[in-house]
Amino acid sequence: QKEVEQNSGPLSVPEGAIASLNCTYSDRGSQSFFWYRQYSGKSPELIMSIYSNGDKEDGRFTAQLNKASQYVSLLIRDSQPSDSATYLCAVTPHSNDYKLSFGAGTTVTVRA
Amino acid sequence: DTAVSQTPKYLVTQMGNDKSIKCEQNLGHDTMYWYKQDSKKFLKIMFSYNNKELIINETVPNRFSPKSPDKAHLNLHINSLELGDSAVYFCASSQGLGLVSYNEQFFGPGTRLTVL
Repeated sequence: QKEVEQNSGPLSVPEGAIASLNCTYSDRGSQSFFWYRQYSGKSPELIMSIYSNGDKEDGRFTAQLNKASQYVSLLIRDSQPSDSATYLCAVTPHSNDYKLSFGAGTTVTVRA
Repeated sequence: DTAVSQTPKYLVTQMGNDKSIKCEQNLGHDTMYWYKQDSKKFLKIMFSYNNKELIINETVPNRFSPKSPDKAHLNLHINSLELGDSAVYFCASSQGLGLVSYNEQFFGPGTRLTVL
């Protein structure tokens, strides 16, 4: 079982719609959860971090965490063409506070 | 600009050569990392140093050797390069021990290594 799994893409959404990205993780003791955005040919950029159950909103982005279900999601509201990128879910396993385990990423394309 | 920087940005070399990639951060962070991103875009941790001490050493061929002269620098030396080493290598840093938020990692621009 992979440590972090993301829903397979690519995900294509029309401009102005909500893009919904899902991520599950295997280590029940994980404490820190992150979403990174990576444009083609660029480095990963941290866009959201979440540490407790519930929702966390930052602008058009909302991260949702459910530790009981070992599930973290990212919603992008009012999607813009500039949101077209690969979104990486990352989780810190319980055994090592420094390590980040990444999912394979979901590529999002926002159609104008 | 406060950032994580890497040199070189591109590295093209022949099989069997030895090469180094350098990384520097001026964020005042205690912890630095090397990641490899393969052609399928999967990002995998290789090494991590906290205050010049090796704390993560994943299953990586011993042809790869990291060196941290101080907590702001982390270099990666690769001996006897192989075709399979072709990838993008990212350096990252985080604040370090303590609160869980200290593991928010910030990435450098990457070094695209091509082995011919």
